[in-house]
Formats: sequence, structure tokens, C-alpha cells
Amino acid sequence: GAGVSQSPSNKVTEKGKDVELRCDPISGHTALYWYRQSLGQGLEFLIYFQGNSAPDKSGLPSDRFSAERTGGSVSTLTIQRTQQEDSAVYLCASSLEAGGPHTQYFGPGTRLTVL
Amino acid sequence: KQEVTQIPAALSVPEGENLVLNCSFTDSAIYNLQWFRQDPGKGLTSLLLIQSSQREQTSGRLNASLDKSSGRSTLYIAASQPGDSATYLCAVKNSGAGSYQLTFGKGTKLSVIP
Repeated sequence: GAGVSQSPSNKVTEKGKDVELRCDPISGHTALYWYRQSLGQGLEFLIYFQGNSAPDKSGLPSDRFSAERTGGSVSTLTIQRTQQEDSAVYLCASSLEAGGPHTQYFGPGTRLTVL
Repeated sequence: KQEVTQIPAALSVPEGENLVLNCSFTDSAIYNLQWFRQDPGKGLTSLLLIQSSQREQTSGRLNASLDKSSGRSTLYIAASQPGDSATYLCAVKNSGAGSYQLTFGKGTKLSVIP
């Protein structure tokens, strides 16, 4: 079956512009996660959804970052007024449910470059 | 707060050699520990997942062990091949608060020389 897909695969933008990153989870997965991998850093957790709700937004780096999920499926991560330090690979994952031992399956990521 | 450390940061070995990658974590209250592989410009591929009640998992030439009480895991790769060259990431899932997220180490970059 299809895995987690993300689009675009690469995005180059100018400082100050807004960007939207999209994630399509595995069909039937109720939980969806966003992580960020910056150069030289490990993967850091940003936000997760159980259904359309985001119980914990504390991992978002600033109020320029927001995310939404509609229909319990597709999610969009939006970064407003992008800064150079936002350059990173943004990874999306999904799992059957958020809690417990459920395995998270990762997408290929979106590489964001802010000039 | 859970912290995951991977040693070494980089490793270069000749083809055919057996090798061990190390992962340590500070909070032993975990659901599971997972080893991933990441190729340049690609996403994460799950290699092995060890539940907290398990001691080890095997898949082909890969064997992962877990010592929860000491906060350590190892990934053993037998008879290494050039195709094994990649970055290997260790991640833990806490069993308490924050059980929805994975905490990752920074990875070990492996190069297998033909």
C-alpha cells in the first residue's frame, strides 16, 4: 500500500515569504506527526494530531509556525515570514494511533531552503 | 526530559567487517526503541523496533539489543556491505507524558569501504 507522502520534495523561498508543506498519511492512520531536521541537529518534534486535533503544540519553534489537519487525513504545516534558520528538512510521520507502542512511519521529507 | 545519545558520530569500516553502533537514553520509562536508516536526501526507513519488554530483535544481518535498566541499545551489523553506508538513527518512545513523540539521537554516519 501507499506510504506517507509529502509535497513538495524541495522548496526554495526568499526570506519573509510564507510557505506551506503538505503531508498525506497512510490511509487509516489517525495520528500524524511533524518533525524537523536541521543541519547538524537531530530530529526535533514539532506537533502531532490525533484526528483533526493537535493536543500539543509546544514543539512549534515560534508563532510563525502553524499546522492544521482536515478530514482526519491531509495535514499542512505553514511557516509565515520565513527566516534563514527555518531551513531544514521537514518530516511527516503517521501511525494507527498517537499513544502507546504504535510504530510511526515516515515520509520522504520536504527540504526547505530559505535564501 | 528524555535525551538520546549516539556514539560514534561517524564510523568508517572495510567491507565484510562486523560493527556495533551505540545508543544511550536517560529515561528508562519507554514503550519501545527504534533503529532507523537515513540515506542522503531521503526519509527514514525503520530497521528494527524493540518493545520495552524485549531484549533483542533480529532482521537479516541486523541485530538490535535493549537494556532498558541501563538505558542502552546496540545495533549490530554483520558482514557489512557498501550498501549499508547511511546514517543510522536511534529513537525512543516514552511511556509516560509525551508518549506520542519519538526522541531521536543525532545519528551515526556509517561508511563501508569496498
